[in-house]
Amino acid sequence: QKEVEQDPGPLSVPEGAIVSLNCTYSNSAFQYFMWYRQYSRKGPELLMYTYSSGNKEDGRFTAQVDKSSKYISLFIRDSQPSDSATYLCAIERGSNYKLTFGKGTLLTVNP
Amino acid sequence: DAGITQSPRYKITETGRQVTLMCHQTWSHSYMFWYRQDLGHGLRLIYYSAAADITDKGEVPDGYVVSRSKTENFPLTLESATRSQTSVYFCASSGGLAGGFGTDTQYFGPGTRLTVL
Repeated sequence: QKEVEQDPGPLSVPEGAIVSLNCTYSNSAFQYFMWYRQYSRKGPELLMYTYSSGNKEDGRFTAQVDKSSKYISLFIRDSQPSDSATYLCAIERGSNYKLTFGKGTLLTVNP
Repeated sequence: DAGITQSPRYKITETGRQVTLMCHQTWSHSYMFWYRQDLGHGLRLIYYSAAADITDKGEVPDGYVVSRSKTENFPLTLESATRSQTSVYFCASSGGLAGGFGTDTQYFGPGTRLTVL
């Protein structure tokens, strides 16, 4: 079983839709949970990170972690065409800064 | 240029040749990383470095060599390139947190697209 599983999509939604992106992980030792956004032919950039369980909100983006079920989510409200990108979840144990990435979900928001 | 840069941006080489990909950051970050990104596999860690002269293997280190004699540079060498090493390579850096516990943002370079014929 891979340490992090992420549905690669692709996911296509109309502008204004609520988008839900998800990952599952297998090792309960992971403590930090991140979402990176990667535009086509660019390097990934950090979007949000959370520590332990709970929700974190930043504008139209909400990151959610459920450690009991080893499930992490990213919600995008009022999605925009500029949100079209690949979204990668990443997790870390918190001791050596090594990240384990999901495969990424390609999102397209259609105007 | 400020930030993190990679060179070359594009490289075509032949099987068996040695290739070096360069990575340079201007933040004096302690941690640096090399990833490869392939369809169906996502980003996978090749090697990482916690400081100058300290390197360690990641998930897929075979066929690669790294060095870090200066904090700002972290070159990745393919000693004898193979077709399976055709990929997009990303370098990243992170400042790390005091005490070595916790996490910090990894900043990625623009990537190098390597094709091995």
